[in-house]
Amino acid sequence: EPEVTQTPSHQVTQMGQEVILRCVPISNHLYFYWYRQILGQKVEFLVSFYNNEISEKSEIFDDQFSVERPDGSNFTLKIRSTKLEDSAMYFCASSAEAGGSYNEQFFGPGTRLTVL
Amino acid sequence: DAKTTQPPSMDCAEGRAANLPCNHSTISGNEYVYWYRQIHSQGPQYIIHGLKNNETNEMASLIITEDRKSSTLILPHATLRDTAVYYCIVSGSYNTDKLIFGTGTRLQVFP
Repeated sequence: EPEVTQTPSHQVTQMGQEVILRCVPISNHLYFYWYRQILGQKVEFLVSFYNNEISEKSEIFDDQFSVERPDGSNFTLKIRSTKLEDSAMYFCASSAEAGGSYNEQFFGPGTRLTVL
Repeated sequence: DAKTTQPPSMDCAEGRAANLPCNHSTISGNEYVYWYRQIHSQGPQYIIHGLKNNETNEMASLIITEDRKSSTLILPHATLRDTAVYYCIVSGSYNTDKLIFGTGTRLQVFP
């Protein structure tokens, strides 16, 4: 069964450093998402991406964040200068369609980001 | 997006049906009810969704009241592996596809 994969599973970084979290969505999917979950808290939407551009982003997704689909398979989340409060589990998701009755999103296993 | 209300926790004996309720009294006519679950710290997993008719798949059944203000997710024969946090999410406005997760219901299945 096709699945979303994410690398690395755990990333430790120093405050102020740049990190890139990588995701390989399901191959025929067109819509891509990043969510995050701070330990013990809710899953929060960060950004959605379609047709090589951001379609929606949350207040969390400020200028320190960016997303890219550098080739036909990868989808990345970059945090330019990490802060302690960026420590969280980051989930990538993809879907074949979007909106209405087609909002079945497939989530990856997550990358645990720890900022020291 | 409409807000949902779920009980924070529920218990269920293994082999019995687990019935998880959700209130979504402000749901609008074009919004769907989606259910996802999260096992421990894994990525959320889609379970089922519906608009107004009851739905069933290999994982669960979804019962939506006629006024659409509430719904119930039914796991017909709960197993220990169904222990998870279950999220009821209203989604489907055509101008957004983000999922807004609440705190969900923590279902504990016991032997």
